[in-house]
Amino acid sequence: QKEVEQDPGPLSVPEGAIVSLNCTYSNSAFQYFMWYRQYSRKGPELLMYTYSSGNKEDGRFTAQVDKSSKYISLFIRDSQPSDSATYLCAMSVYTGRRALTFGSGTRLQVQP
Amino acid sequence: EAQVTQNPRYLITVTGKKLTVTCSQNMNHEYMSWYRQDPGLGLRQIYYSMNVEVTDKGDVPEGYKVSRKEKRNFPLILESPSPNQTSLYFCASSSSVLVQGRNHEQFFGPGTRLTVL
Repeated sequence: QKEVEQDPGPLSVPEGAIVSLNCTYSNSAFQYFMWYRQYSRKGPELLMYTYSSGNKEDGRFTAQVDKSSKYISLFIRDSQPSDSATYLCAMSVYTGRRALTFGSGTRLQVQP
Repeated sequence: EAQVTQNPRYLITVTGKKLTVTCSQNMNHEYMSWYRQDPGLGLRQIYYSMNVEVTDKGDVPEGYKVSRKEKRNFPLILESPSPNQTSLYFCASSSSVLVQGRNHEQFFGPGTRLTVL
């Protein structure tokens, strides 16, 4: 079983829709939770960052972490065609190694 | 512009022919790391470096070498590439300055797509 599970999609939604992306994980030691966005032929870029449980909002993006259920989510409101990308969840424990454990990514397509 | 650069971006080679993928960052970051990305597996860490002359293995180090002689550069070396090393490779860097754990914010390069025949 993978440490981090993420539905690969693809997920296709109309412009303006609310998008929900999710990951589950098995390692209860994870403390830092991130969402990266990766456009085609580009490197991942950090979108959202959360420490421990709770919600964090940044513009149209909201990240939620539920450590008791080992479940994290990313919500995108008023989705735009420019949001079309692969979204990767990532998590880590606090060690010098700083290894990020990634989900396999969900491909999102927002139709104009 | 703050960035991580990698070269080459695309490489096709044959089994056993030594190759080096270069990585350079201009953000004065102490920490650098290499990942490989494979379909269905996500990104997995190959090697990392906490600072100059300090390197250590990640999750999938077999078949790879690294060196960190200068702060800005962190090359990935495949001494004898094999077809199972065909993958998309990313270099990443981050600062060691502690800001509520935000030192986990890693900046990624554009990637190097390697094919080993």
